[in-house]
Amino acid sequence: DTEVTQTPKHLVMGMTNKKSLKCEQHMGHRAMYWYKQKAKKPPELMFVYSYEKLSINESVPSRFSPECPNSSLLNLHLHALQPEDSALYLCASSQVGLAGDTQYFGPGTRLTVL
Amino acid sequence: GDSVTQMEGPVTLSEEAFLTINCTYTATGYPSLFWYVQYPGEGLQLLLKATKADDKGSNKGFEATYRKETTSFHLEKGSVQVSDSAVYFCALSSGNQFYFGTGTSLTVIP
Repeated sequence: DTEVTQTPKHLVMGMTNKKSLKCEQHMGHRAMYWYKQKAKKPPELMFVYSYEKLSINESVPSRFSPECPNSSLLNLHLHALQPEDSALYLCASSQVGLAGDTQYFGPGTRLTVL
Repeated sequence: GDSVTQMEGPVTLSEEAFLTINCTYTATGYPSLFWYVQYPGEGLQLLLKATKADDKGSNKGFEATYRKETTSFHLEKGSVQVSDSAVYFCALSSGNQFYFGTGTSLTVIP
């Protein structure tokens, strides 16, 4: 099973709302990733967790707050977002996060900020 | 730094035509190379991969060969179907980072 699940599938929020995106995998992977994808563009890396510790933060604004409660779960907490943050948010996981690891992606959450 | 350069799209082909999407890379070490496919409204799905020079990845009729001498990993399919219409991303894994190409949109018409 190479499945990564993400909830919700769609999310509409106002600029003052607080919401969270959830990602789950049961492949025993120890590296998990958040990406942001705008239309007709490749995914842009936001955060990497390795063994439940944040290892990469690609200068993402603090209105995005990641959390890795355990090795299977990854959350992205959203607060005070801007309309330009509207995008597809993709979660991925890989075995240990080393060179050559295959990343497996979830279906994404389509976020619209009004 | 490491990077991937991918053929610009969009590409439109008739059903049963031959497909090539070019991908070249720049890397300091020995990266692994991947092709991912993204169908409309979905996430990225791994299509195939190759981890060392001269490896050939294949899946669902698609093939790509890791060519170190030309730093390329071109995607090919002998006979495309309407259901292959999607965006294709070439990617490179180096260290703990993934580098994606810009994506090539493929439309196959009946």
